[in-house]
Amino acid sequence: NAGVTQTPKFQVLKTGQSMTLQCAQDMNHEYMSWYRQDPGMGLRLIHYSVGAGITDQGEVPNGYNVSRSTTEDFPLRLLSAAPSQTSVYFCASSTGEGSLHFGNGTRLTVT
Amino acid sequence: AQSVTQPDIHITVSEGASLELRCNYSYGATPYLFWYVQSPGQGLQLLLKYFSGDTLVQGIKGFEAEFKRSQSSFNLRKPSVHWSDAAEYFCAVRGNNDMRFGAGTRLTVKP
Repeated sequence: NAGVTQTPKFQVLKTGQSMTLQCAQDMNHEYMSWYRQDPGMGLRLIHYSVGAGITDQGEVPNGYNVSRSTTEDFPLRLLSAAPSQTSVYFCASSTGEGSLHFGNGTRLTVT
Repeated sequence: AQSVTQPDIHITVSEGASLELRCNYSYGATPYLFWYVQSPGQGLQLLLKYFSGDTLVQGIKGFEAEFKRSQSSFNLRKPSVHWSDAAEYFCAVRGNNDMRFGAGTRLTVKP
């Protein structure tokens, strides 16, 4: 069982570069979400999706875009990376009852 | 929007001692509440959840939590801590379409 798969595991970007963090799940979950984790701040919700074609903003959406063209995939795009986006990013999916299944994270450093 | 407060940033307990991690939430409706654990360098794993019914819920690894509506609390407990319980613990509350997390409590276990 793959569960939630995130790639890459590590990434270093220069300020202004763009990139896409990939997230895929094989559990047929309708709900998917992206969080960032920073020391002392817990996990903060960036964007989420309740199904293919539907996305919405979370607590900290600025600087990030998402799309949901299929049930399985929910990529997170950084259009112009900034040092403030240095963080660990987690993708998660869930069934209707709400327990989140997390990927193993992507550690992003922006210099 | 809903919110979660975990008052203790860091707790140290001796192996074999009891543990209680505090969690207070804010949400206008009946909350769905969760506790997750994160070992170093790992993603988050669900320990237990509360949706309705019995206010004392049992989880994995010998953990339990008690929902107290009057105190807006959902504290996590374990009668006897093992060295392998050293990790970071997150309380979370689910709203309509999103889950919000507390800042986390880091648990250190002394031999």
